[in-house]
Amino acid sequence: ELKVEQNPLFLSMQEGKNYTIYCNYSTTSDRLYWYRQDPGKSLESLFVLLSNGAVKQEGRLMASLDTKARLSTLHITAAVHDLSATYFCAVVQLYSGGGADGLTFGKGTHLIIQP
Amino acid sequence: ETGVTQTPRHLVMGMTNKKSLKCEQHLGHNAMYWYKQSAKKPLELMFVYNFKEQTENNSVPSRFSPECPNSSHLFLHLHTLQPEDSALYLCASSPGTRTYTFGSGTRLTVV
Repeated sequence: ELKVEQNPLFLSMQEGKNYTIYCNYSTTSDRLYWYRQDPGKSLESLFVLLSNGAVKQEGRLMASLDTKARLSTLHITAAVHDLSATYFCAVVQLYSGGGADGLTFGKGTHLIIQP
Repeated sequence: ETGVTQTPRHLVMGMTNKKSLKCEQHLGHNAMYWYKQSAKKPLELMFVYNFKEQTENNSVPSRFSPECPNSSHLFLHLHTLQPEDSALYLCASSPGTRTYTFGSGTRLTVV
């Protein structure tokens, strides 16, 4: 059974600080997803990481993937209040569904950035 | 709007009621999914449909009954639910390339 673990689950930080969210998964997978969710809203896709060593950056967020360690990180640089949200990582479950594989999610990291 | 539309946005139902959730996409995607997001558990995959055929049922109780009449529409029929079924139900679609578009969800409360 595929398991995805995120830590921390809750993070309160001040604006201007740096921090990293970690995502471990239990079985081989060839891609890793990061999503953002604002309260009462749906999931917004942030990054899709496709290979070992992949690194992607968008603004103050940078995600990386180490498939050998089965670890992905989401790094926040010089945090601002607008980044307050819940962040999820997810891994594809490999079915025989002809490419229609579903996602297994971590529990999410609830991030609060205080002025 | 993401291109995946879910209705209703909010639903309150009694344990003896029957209701349905609807998901619609006109993105040309062939795969559609139901996920459940509750306060106590991570986002859980419930059902997967590919080209209208159910390819995965993640041990979901029979009080949840999915229906996919065509590649653009997905329903989740609900009957005799329990209070613990209260959750945000998210629909997603995919062109089969393992990229996903999520709807805004239906917030379900069972009383």
